[in-house]
Amino acid sequence: QVTLRESGPALVKPTQTLTLTCTFSGFSLSTSGMCVSWVRQPPGKALEWLALIDWDDDKYYSTSLKTRLTISKDTSKNQVVLTMTNMDPVDTATYYCARIHRESIVGPDAFDIWGQGTMVTVSS
Amino acid sequence: SYELTQPPSVSVSPGQTARITCSGDALPKQYAYWYQQKPGQAPVLVIYKDSERPSGIPERFSGSSSGTTVTLTISGVQAEDEADYYCQSADSSGTYEVFGGGTKLTVL
Repeated sequence: QVTLRESGPALVKPTQTLTLTCTFSGFSLSTSGMCVSWVRQPPGKALEWLALIDWDDDKYYSTSLKTRLTISKDTSKNQVVLTMTNMDPVDTATYYCARIHRESIVGPDAFDIWGQGTMVTVSS
Repeated sequence: SYELTQPPSVSVSPGQTARITCSGDALPKQYAYWYQQKPGQAPVLVIYKDSERPSGIPERFSGSSSGTTVTLTISGVQAEDEADYYCQSADSSGTYEVFGGGTKLTVL
């Protein structure tokens, strides 16, 4: 069974750096085609793709946020970490991690399994 | 940056057919995916590769594609289908993922 779980602080102050961890099971990020991505959703608003890391350690970022984001992986721990610098109240959102399997039958860009999400509030 | 455009809302009565569109310039080149999201829950994939349905998704959910527009169709809408629906795809280079703005389906 494939599962993903997000963890991190529920509250951060403006200008601080947010660090979120996605811990997954049921697959390996060293398997060809495997990717883990981060998606966020401000309250009452739409989903927004943030970043993706793949099995080959290639990294991709949202063009609007790339200067603030860093994604990394620890294959031995089955974890993916996202850092976002210079947090602002507009970054208040639920942050999800999700799996993409490029070689899956569901297609190369399908987010087939999602974590439950973690709510992050940015406030002083 | 690349955008996918959806109508903000669609309303139908139970038993009717709901159609939600999603437009984007790269859709002729890239597959589209559809997600259902109910309040307080993570999104769930309901259509992949434009028109395929994952196991466990009811047959009343279907997808189609025509040029730069893809459509999610829900036939015989039920009250439990009331949710937000998001389309998703990649840019023309396949480098970046993008979501549409979401459509709130209301079952009257």
